[in-house]
Amino acid sequence: GNSVTQMEGPVTLSEEAFLTINCTYTATGYPSLFWYVQYPGEGLQLLLKATKADDKGSNKGFEATYRKETTSFHLEKGSVQVSDSAVYFCALIPDNYGQNFVFGPGTRLSVLP
Amino acid sequence: DGGITQSPKYLFRKEGQNVTLSCEQNLNHDAMYWYRQDPGQGLRLIYYSQIVNDFQKGDIAEGYSVSREKKESFPLTVTSAQKNPTAFYLCASSILPATTEAFFGQGTRLTVV
Repeated sequence: GNSVTQMEGPVTLSEEAFLTINCTYTATGYPSLFWYVQYPGEGLQLLLKATKADDKGSNKGFEATYRKETTSFHLEKGSVQVSDSAVYFCALIPDNYGQNFVFGPGTRLSVLP
Repeated sequence: DGGITQSPKYLFRKEGQNVTLSCEQNLNHDAMYWYRQDPGQGLRLIYYSQIVNDFQKGDIAEGYSVSREKKESFPLTVTSAQKNPTAFYLCASSILPATTEAFFGQGTRLTVV
């Protein structure tokens, strides 16, 4: 079946540090891949997405590249800020009609000043 | 502005009572979803609907019920049969086929007192 695996958290970084959150997936075909962010007490917001192999999604300094050969979609940011503290979810939607979204378990990021 | 609205943001229920959570979207999306999120956990699918007057059980449907009488609305009822209903509930919607992102509401935090 389809699944998403993320690195376990929490991840604690100092401000301006480099961030990587690993995400790997299992799915047939060519799923679309997403990173969502959730701030405390709120819903999920789309951070970035990629719909085909080698696509790079980017937003607010965050980037992730769709790697079909390694079935990965790792999230990176060159310099994190305190305001980036949140929970990050990797997700996919399979490319065959009628399938539902599959979410990873989430990774909590805390950025210290 | 288009979006998806959940209400109320906080809800308290006595044990043994049913309670209904509201979810409305004006994005003209065909598909709507309900997820449950427990502290420090990922999202679990409760129910989803791809068309008016039709819905399907997700992974944890027991103790919940839904209706989809209008395209814009997908209310969730948490019944007294749900053994542990205290959680954060998230509603989402997407186009069909779901090849692009799901949009989320702000969530409803339900507490049984």
